[in-house]
Amino acid sequence: AQTVTQSQPEMSVQEAETVTLSCTYDTSESDYYLFWYKQPPSRQMILVIRQEAYKQQNATENRFSVNFQKAAKSFSLKISDSQLGDAAMYFCAYDGSGNTGKLIFGQGTTLQVKP
Amino acid sequence: DTAVSQTPKYLVTQMGNDKSIKCEQNLGHDTMYWYKQDSKKFLKIMFSYNNKELIINETVPNRFSPKSPDKAHLNLHINSLELGDSAVYFCASSHGTGGNTIYFGEGSWLTVV
Repeated sequence: AQTVTQSQPEMSVQEAETVTLSCTYDTSESDYYLFWYKQPPSRQMILVIRQEAYKQQNATENRFSVNFQKAAKSFSLKISDSQLGDAAMYFCAYDGSGNTGKLIFGQGTTLQVKP
Repeated sequence: DTAVSQTPKYLVTQMGNDKSIKCEQNLGHDTMYWYKQDSKKFLKIMFSYNNKELIINETVPNRFSPKSPDKAHLNLHINSLELGDSAVYFCASSHGTGGNTIYFGEGSWLTVV
């Protein structure tokens, strides 16, 4: 069974600096998708970034980028120029299993941004 | 304007009661989901429907019964509520599956006392 692990329960970053959140996963599949979702205190789950496993190029969305290492089964999220509004819980998620839309989530990482 | 909307957002009820959470999406998606987030913030899928057909039914007690009257709606009915059912329930939707982005509602916070 696929699993997703986020080994950092909490992280903190100074405003305007860069932070990297870690995520590893375990799978025997070759075709799958990976996501990072952000959950601010409002509880809304907001998509941050999406990566297709068959694409070698790392996905980027403005200040957010990923370092996707397929062989190492690693999918880290880098946030550049951190802003106070980035403070939230971040979840890494895996979608495989014949692409059913079933997301398997990691435990989450709480990011604190210090002014 | 809300893409995926759920009602109610907050629900406090007593053990043994029956309650429903309603969900509607206006994104034109054909796949809808229920996810549960427990007190430790862990998220897990419960059900998914594609074109009103159940395609994922995780190991969920049969006290939980989803119903999809049409592609835009997916409701969750819970019978004989237990303390352990206290959680945040998220409705979500996507255009098909296959790794397409899943859009979540704001969540319904259920507290069983």
